[in-house]
Amino acid sequence: QVQLMQSGAEVKKPGASVKVSCKASGYTFTSYYMHWVRQAPGQGLEWMGIINPSGGATSYAQKFQGRVTMTRDTSTSTLYMELSSLISEDTAIYYCARDTGYCTGGICPANYYFYYWGQGTLVTVSS
Amino acid sequence: DIQMTQSPSTLSASVGDRVTITCRASQSFSSWLAWYQQKPGKAPKLLIYKASTLESGVPSRFSGSGSGTEFTLTISSLQPDDFATYYCQQYNSSPWTFGQGTKLEIK
Repeated sequence: QVQLMQSGAEVKKPGASVKVSCKASGYTFTSYYMHWVRQAPGQGLEWMGIINPSGGATSYAQKFQGRVTMTRDTSTSTLYMELSSLISEDTAIYYCARDTGYCTGGICPANYYFYYWGQGTLVTVSS
Repeated sequence: DIQMTQSPSTLSASVGDRVTITCRASQSFSSWLAWYQQKPGKAPKLLIYKASTLESGVPSRFSGSGSGTEFTLTISSLQPDDFATYYCQQYNSSPWTFGQGTKLEIK
């Protein structure tokens, strides 16, 4: 069965960086685009960016450009999301989520909506 | 960016009720809309995509409709398990944006 297992909660000071991991299992890691979505406490959902686990290409929401870096390690089927220059407003639960589009025959569509989600990683930014 | 506005923000209803949640977009688009259900402490669950296509395994009491700037999620007969927060999400154009959520509470 598909599982996305994220790293544990983090507490960071303003100005620091955080790196969250998401280990995928139960499917071919390179066959599906992956996204990162965050949710501030008691708030709605916010899309941060997408990564192609096969080639590593990324696209980020403009809001996070310059502050976020999404990478992957195909040898361990693990995704990483690093967010720098943290401020208190970055306090949120960060989710990895698998796109529903499936790569086949060299064609890799992204549908940009999500069926499988990680359990979430709480990042708290506080001095 | 396409802004998604849900109404109401909170909805109180009873088991067996029929409820409708509305999602309005700041720009018109076809059917590239998904609905999710989220319970406290859990990740969202995909219910509907392409505005009206029910995800496999989702009960048929859930239905979606709409296009353009107005979309709706309807639950035909509320069950105890349905009390949760619901989000719409457009995937017509990047950045993919969500509504602010509708909390469905027990009356």
